[in-house]
Amino acid sequence: AQKITQTQPGMFVQEKEAVTLDCTYDTSDQSYGLFWYKQPSSGEMIFLIYQGSYDEQNATEGRYSLNFQKARKSANLVISASQLGDSAMYFCAMRELMDSNYQLIWGAGTKLIIKP
Amino acid sequence: DSGVTQTPKHLITATGQRVTLRCSPRSGDLSVYWYQQSLDQGLQFLIQYYNGEERAKGNILERFSAQQFPDLHSELNLSSLELGDSALYFCASSGAGTVTDTQYFGPGTRLTVL
Repeated sequence: AQKITQTQPGMFVQEKEAVTLDCTYDTSDQSYGLFWYKQPSSGEMIFLIYQGSYDEQNATEGRYSLNFQKARKSANLVISASQLGDSAMYFCAMRELMDSNYQLIWGAGTKLIIKP
Repeated sequence: DSGVTQTPKHLITATGQRVTLRCSPRSGDLSVYWYQQSLDQGLQFLIQYYNGEERAKGNILERFSAQQFPDLHSELNLSSLELGDSALYFCASSGAGTVTDTQYFGPGTRLTVL
């Protein structure tokens, strides 16, 4: 079974609108971390935001926020007031304990295109 | 700039050849991870080193090997290259490798095997 599911392979959004990128995860651990990364067409992988499983508040970093719903095992990324530069692939990842080591499990990604 | 450096940025070589990719982690980071990303694919974890020791292995082929040196830089060696090895290879670094550790990525090395 997929550990990280990103159900939207691609999305088109009008500039200045808010965007929600979906991510659901599957784990039986109590302690885990959730991460979002951005990969523009230039190729680099940029860390955006982190949410710990014990964090009670949703994480925020500038225009990025993480809508963490633990009971539903979802960790959606919200981008407010989207900009053309937000066009990129977005990856959700979960860090959990596997074989005595914390491993990062990756989703397949969502390609976001912002329309002017 | 993540603070992780990778060289070279681009590499073009022929099938059957051997190449070495180099990575310097962020200052203070002890863990180094290697990933492979083929065209329009997600990230495939290859291997992790922590303070010079191999800590975790992913889907790394036997033709590939890596090491982390005392100064914490790491090298990924790819040998007997095949066309299918063409990909973007990322190095990432983090601290102790705990659940809260964030991996910061280098700019990647784009390998083309002709």
